[in-house]
Amino acid sequence: DQQVKQNSPSLSVQEGRISILNCDYTNSMFDYFLWYKKYPAEGPTFLISISSIKDKNEDGRFTVFLNKSAKHLSLHIVPSQPGDSAVYFCAAYLGSTLGRLYFGRGTQLTVWP
Amino acid sequence: KAGVTQTPRYLIKTRGQQVTLSCSPISGHRSVSWYQQTPGQGLQFLFEYFSETQRNKGNFPGRFSGRQFSNSRSEMNVSTLELGDSALYLCASSLAGAQNTIYFGEGSWLTVV
Repeated sequence: DQQVKQNSPSLSVQEGRISILNCDYTNSMFDYFLWYKKYPAEGPTFLISISSIKDKNEDGRFTVFLNKSAKHLSLHIVPSQPGDSAVYFCAAYLGSTLGRLYFGRGTQLTVWP
Repeated sequence: KAGVTQTPRYLIKTRGQQVTLSCSPISGHRSVSWYQQTPGQGLQFLFEYFSETQRNKGNFPGRFSGRQFSNSRSEMNVSTLELGDSALYLCASSLAGAQNTIYFGEGSWLTVV
């Protein structure tokens, strides 16, 4: 049962424009959400996170928005750069199962010049 | 400070053999978790250890096992290897407690032939 879903397997954006990656979840008890960036055969790199009690968190070019009523979060990258091209994973965890992340299937972002 | 360190990075094993992978967490992190990434199944949780005790376990057969030492270093073992065990095995560490970021190592790429 996929509790975290990324319904878009790929996204293509021109350099300098905004990239918006979406993520939906089914478990309303998730209390922390994270975004990771990943290159093939490497480990995921942490990008940004958000607590369930907040609706926005910003770090440089990255902003994550959380809509709890819709069980939806999104990652905005502005401006997008070619070096941002990678697979982005949305992940979540429950306070009761610390250390266990539930991952989406990932979205391949391609930023073209 | 040093990140999560996994060894070996790459290895090739034959069906029926067993393999042991090692993980050194970030200094001060007491929670260590393991994930398997395959093209078909995405990132799947194996198990998580905290203070030498397994706290959470994913849906994997008993051939997959792990342990954690008093210095928080962890190992995972896969016995009687099958072709389907070929994957990237990722170790992650975090501070104990809720809403802490989980950091990943570079992974151990296992090929079973």
